[in-house]
Amino acid sequence: EPEVTQTPSHQVTQMGQEVILRCVPISNHLYFYWYRQILGQKVEFLVSFYNNEISEKSEIFDDQFSVERPDGSNFTLKIRSTKLEDSAMYFCASRGVNTEAFFGQGTRLTVV
Amino acid sequence: AQTVTQSQPEMSVQEAETVTLSCTYDTSESDYYLFWYKQPPSRQMILVIRQEAYKQQNATENRFSVNFQKAAKSFSLKISDSQLGDAAMYFCAYRSANDGANNLFFGTGTRLTVIP
Repeated sequence: EPEVTQTPSHQVTQMGQEVILRCVPISNHLYFYWYRQILGQKVEFLVSFYNNEISEKSEIFDDQFSVERPDGSNFTLKIRSTKLEDSAMYFCASRGVNTEAFFGQGTRLTVV
Repeated sequence: AQTVTQSQPEMSVQEAETVTLSCTYDTSESDYYLFWYKQPPSRQMILVIRQEAYKQQNATENRFSVNFQKAAKSFSLKISDSQLGDAAMYFCAYRSANDGANNLFFGTGTRLTVIP
């Protein structure tokens, strides 16, 4: 069964450093998403991506965040200068036109 | 903006019994999808069940079923014959059916404990 793959599963980084979280969506899907879940809280939408551009973004997705689909398969989330409050589980998801969203296993980001 | 409310932060159920998790939502749209996702301790998000708003029939997946009340904007999840593996966080989610990327809006979750 096709699945969304995220790497790494856990990333520890120093405050102020840049991080790139990677995702390989399901190959024939058209819509791509990043969500964030701070420990013990609900899952929050960050950004959606369609047709090689951002479709929508939330208030959380400020200038420190960017997304790319550099090679037609990978979908990356970059945090330019990490803050302590960026520590969270980051989920990538993808979906086709008439399918539900499939989530990756998540990347746990710890900023120290 | 759409909001999803789960009023039960925690629920418990005896193994083999039935439990119902509540969810309400607010929207001005007439066509949308509703979902229940399960998040076990591994923290992966697993789709449990999906309901299209235009369908009157309640969705069912094995031991999982929903009670979808469109007028009341209510979407509860019933788990029958509860098993130890059902223990997890359960999130209710909403997505518009309009054209476009349409992200999911999640509730705050209900932690389900299954008592052996």
